[in-house]
Amino acid sequence: QQQVKQSPQSLIVQKGGISIINCAYENTAFDYFPWYQQFPGKGPALLIAIRPDVSEKKEGRFTISFNKSAKQFSLHIMDSQPGDSATYFCAATANQAGTALIFGKGTTLSVSS
Amino acid sequence: GAVVSQHPSRVICKSGTSVKIECRSLDFQATTMFWYRQFPKQSLMLMATSNEGSKATYEQGVEKDKFLINHASLTLSTLTVTSAHPEDSSFYICSASVTDANYGYTFGSGTRLTVV
Repeated sequence: QQQVKQSPQSLIVQKGGISIINCAYENTAFDYFPWYQQFPGKGPALLIAIRPDVSEKKEGRFTISFNKSAKQFSLHIMDSQPGDSATYFCAATANQAGTALIFGKGTTLSVSS
Repeated sequence: GAVVSQHPSRVICKSGTSVKIECRSLDFQATTMFWYRQFPKQSLMLMATSNEGSKATYEQGVEKDKFLINHASLTLSTLTVTSAHPEDSSFYICSASVTDANYGYTFGSGTRLTVV
């Protein structure tokens, strides 16, 4: 599988702070980049996704920044809350029907109150 | 919309027995479904891709005779773990691609399999 590299592995942020998680990919054919949130014992839930025709997408407190030339994208969580404490996965795939998402290794976020 | 229902959520089985996990698309037709496996504190690893009416495509290292995947209809895909052993204990998650304007993927809630 083509790799998607995610960092950091874990992150501790104070309540109200900004959480930043980064991902890098190799396959230039990738053109769909989602972020998922997963709580223990649950399936991943889509947070936000971006395509390479834009450099930034914002939905509420969540923002994706995308740098096509560097093949990197990042998730920013503004005003982080204890309820945001979860594992976050970036993923990527090529725009073909039937192509699976390739996941990063995940980032465990802890937001301290 | 675009909900995938996965059952059971938890199952405990004895070593040597088989377990079937079902994933149903409730409000859309899932032409393609994906099966992932997730070990504790690790990422989702793709096991196989299944297309309705066709044989599943397995990732390298995944035993197709142990993990039987059936995708006989546009709304149902099943994963059967045959002759389960303790090392098969894991969290199994299904996913479907949703071919709409948003071009997204939806995930089931996962099945925790424990083999004793």
